[in-house]
Amino acid sequence: ESVLTQSPGTLSLSPGERATLSCRASQSLYSAWYQQRPGQAPRLLIYGVTTRAPGIPDRFSGSGSETDFTLTISRLEPEDSAVYYCQQYGSSVTFGGGTKVEIK
Amino acid sequence: QVHLQESGPGLVKPSETLSLTCTVSGGSIFGYDWTWIRQSPGKGLEYIGTVSYRGTTDYNPSLMSRVTISIDTSENQFSLKLRSVTAADTAMYFCARKWSGHDYWGQGTRVTVSS
Repeated sequence: ESVLTQSPGTLSLSPGERATLSCRASQSLYSAWYQQRPGQAPRLLIYGVTTRAPGIPDRFSGSGSETDFTLTISRLEPEDSAVYYCQQYGSSVTFGGGTKVEIK
Repeated sequence: QVHLQESGPGLVKPSETLSLTCTVSGGSIFGYDWTWIRQSPGKGLEYIGTVSYRGTTDYNPSLMSRVTISIDTSENQFSLKLRSVTAADTAMYFCARKWSGHDYWGQGTRVTVSS
């Protein structure tokens, strides 16, 4: 079972700034990123490390390898305030602990 | 547009079995894997398990001894049974389609374990 470690725990940034979220995995598997706003189900942002899901704005991008991957939000908007989770999916599924992004 | 809807009791007594169903509409259940995920109040996402359209399963090792996930392709539904529940099983339960990550999710159903 892969273990996913996300950092930082919380990011507090202003609109228009860049957010960089990291995830480190103990195994090499397919990876994805999700956004979860309060009271909502998670929404798939990125899969396969770098591929944006349909309908996701291009200010969201994924990079890295399958053991060390990053979500970048290039220009933060107020609606990006949420918790972001990384995930590995293959024969099984694991989630990271989440990074909370706060917009000042 | 694929839509998933969870259904089942919102209150379960300790030591009993939690049973939920996810109904898939707007698309076929065939060709995909289907997952249950939960989120305890104020906590992160926890993987429960996945069932393929063929009925093969994968479970979170920490829950494996208490979980059964099954699929009914004739009804376009899949189900979760979690036995011997305790207060620690109180959570929002989500069903989701697994396809390059989890691309479609239900809105979630809140389950409280209490006597």
